[in-house]
Amino acid sequence: ETGVTQTPRHLVMGMTNKKSLKCEQHLGHNAMYWYKQSAKKPLELMFVYNFKEQTENNSVPSRFSPECPNSSHLFLHLHTLQPEDSALYLCASSQNTGELFFGEGSRLTVL
Amino acid sequence: QKEVEQNSGPLSVPEGAIASLNCTYSDRGSQSFFWYRQYSGKSPELIMFIYSNGDKEDGRFTAQLNKASQYVSLLIRDSQPSDSATYLCAVNEDSWGKFQFGAGTQVVVTP
Repeated sequence: ETGVTQTPRHLVMGMTNKKSLKCEQHLGHNAMYWYKQSAKKPLELMFVYNFKEQTENNSVPSRFSPECPNSSHLFLHLHTLQPEDSALYLCASSQNTGELFFGEGSRLTVL
Repeated sequence: QKEVEQNSGPLSVPEGAIASLNCTYSDRGSQSFFWYRQYSGKSPELIMFIYSNGDKEDGRFTAQLNKASQYVSLLIRDSQPSDSATYLCAVNEDSWGKFQFGAGTQVVVTP
């Protein structure tokens, strides 16, 4: 298994759907992150989990709901999204405050 | 508002030449600095990190840090077409999840 895996890689959903993004890291890291990447904009930090505890929530709308059942798995639950939420959602992990290791991302399109 | 600024490019570089990428940051408390490369449609991957003022070399890459000027740069020597990508500057104040990213500089290496 490679370091950080994300599923699905591509997702198309309507504004009334409920879906989830999944991330799994095989690096033994203690922190996991969700980032949003939109075209020509800096990566936006959404959520941080440190030892399964959420330590950061950057004013993310409640239609995005994270879940971290253990230090290796991270989910992002999506419901009633808007078209402007279409973006690449990147999961990352790190050991303490070291460098981030990213997954391949989940490309989300909201119709 | 903490910011990381990069020229968006594209930076066009002849094959074999030196590519010079610049990054400025606003938070004087920043402690560690990272350069990521992101190919189109792929996730960011770490190229280099630097913590101390001065130069750090790794193969064809050299990172330069000047904390007094709040400036970090990346030099790519002997540029190759495979170096064509977007380069992201990231700054960390050594707190959990406190990575600030620039929007990236697109580099195009022309044969």
